[in-house]
Amino acid sequence: GAGVSQTPSNKVTEKGKYVELRCDPISGHTALYWYRQSLGQGPEFLIYFQGTGAADDSGLPNDRFFAVRPEGSVSTLKIQRTERGDSAVYLCASSLGAGLADEQFFGPGTRLTVL
Amino acid sequence: SQQGEEDPQALSIQEGENATMNCSYKTSINNLQWYRQNSGRGLVHLILIRSNEREKHSGRLRVTLDTSKKSSSLLITASRAADTASYFCATVLLSGNTPLVFGKGTRLSVIA
Repeated sequence: GAGVSQTPSNKVTEKGKYVELRCDPISGHTALYWYRQSLGQGPEFLIYFQGTGAADDSGLPNDRFFAVRPEGSVSTLKIQRTERGDSAVYLCASSLGAGLADEQFFGPGTRLTVL
Repeated sequence: SQQGEEDPQALSIQEGENATMNCSYKTSINNLQWYRQNSGRGLVHLILIRSNEREKHSGRLRVTLDTSKKSSSLLITASRAADTASYFCATVLLSGNTPLVFGKGTRLSVIA
């Protein structure tokens, strides 16, 4: 079956602009996660959803970042007033449930470049 | 913040040799997982080891876990050029927070 997909694969924007990154999880997966990976680093957690609600948004760096999952499937990560430091690969993952041993399946990521 | 630290940061070996990567972490865990990443993009889950397990095998992969030392190792036997990638350990904390906490990774190069 289809894996996790993310669009766009690459996004170049200018400082101060607004961007939206989309994640399509595996069908039937109730948990969805967003991570951010800077060059040479491991992924860092941003936010995760259980169903439609954000169960943990403690990783969002500031209030310029926001994510939604209105129907419990597709999720959109929104970044306002982008800054050069937001440049990174944004990874989405989904899992069947939010259990401690539930495997997370990752998408290919969106590479965001803020000029 | 990142909880895990992989060691070494980079490793270069000849095809057919074994590759060993280590991971240390700071706080108590429910389980530890290893992931592979090619070309800085999507991560592939390799293996999960629970805190009450000491060793686990999957094909050419062998993972050990020492909770007293808060460390884990990943051994890839008979390496192939296709094993060239970055390898990350990720922990799931005992606190029940399910997001993975990743280390910085080991970059493995297998030379044919």
